[in-house]
Amino acid sequence: GAGVSQSPSNKVTEKGKDVELRCDPISGHTALYWYRQSLGQGLEFLIYFQGNSAPDKSGLPSDRFSAERTGGSVSTLTIQRTQQEDSAVYLCASSAWDRGGEQYFGPGTRLTVT
Amino acid sequence: GQNIDQPTEMTATEGAIVQINCTYQTSGFNGLFWYQQHAGEAPTFLSYNVLDGLEEKGRFSSFLSRSKGYSYLLLKELQMKDSASYLCAVYGQNFVFGPGTRLSVLP
Repeated sequence: GAGVSQSPSNKVTEKGKDVELRCDPISGHTALYWYRQSLGQGLEFLIYFQGNSAPDKSGLPSDRFSAERTGGSVSTLTIQRTQQEDSAVYLCASSAWDRGGEQYFGPGTRLTVT
Repeated sequence: GQNIDQPTEMTATEGAIVQINCTYQTSGFNGLFWYQQHAGEAPTFLSYNVLDGLEEKGRFSSFLSRSKGYSYLLLKELQMKDSASYLCAVYGQNFVFGPGTRLSVLP
């Protein structure tokens, strides 16, 4: 595709339920990042994938959060037993470089936990 | 660890020049980036500095001093559409975004 896509665009879930958020990066981009952004706040780094290397999970806030990237392309961020404080916009970005560089962001998934 | 500081808000007049500062402390340094984020939208890349000095791209320029842990984004000939948040980001041990500076351009 022409850009990074994410689905769903909006997700409303009940506290305690699990959710899966999907990211399709730009074809050929080796690096993929997940961030979250609460209303009026900055971007919080969650996890970084680079090719077949072990992901950098240093930003994941708790063990309820996990992510995988299959075949070096599509990534799924899973949040188990969601809490109200998980409500935020979850942004995915991809980059053609393996160490940062110009990141292209998807439109985000707005998650609301009720 | 890594820490990035930016002013929270700035206001400027259409047609003017504005400088948005960013200071950082980081373990390792692989580059400094500036992104623009309009309200309700995803960030978009503006500039990248890895060496000291000024990088110019149209109306936007970005400066870096690695020894001082300092960068600025310079916006010239301000337009109303430049009203947005400007995010300074550093790639050290990992990729860290600053809190952003919300710029309001007034007519």
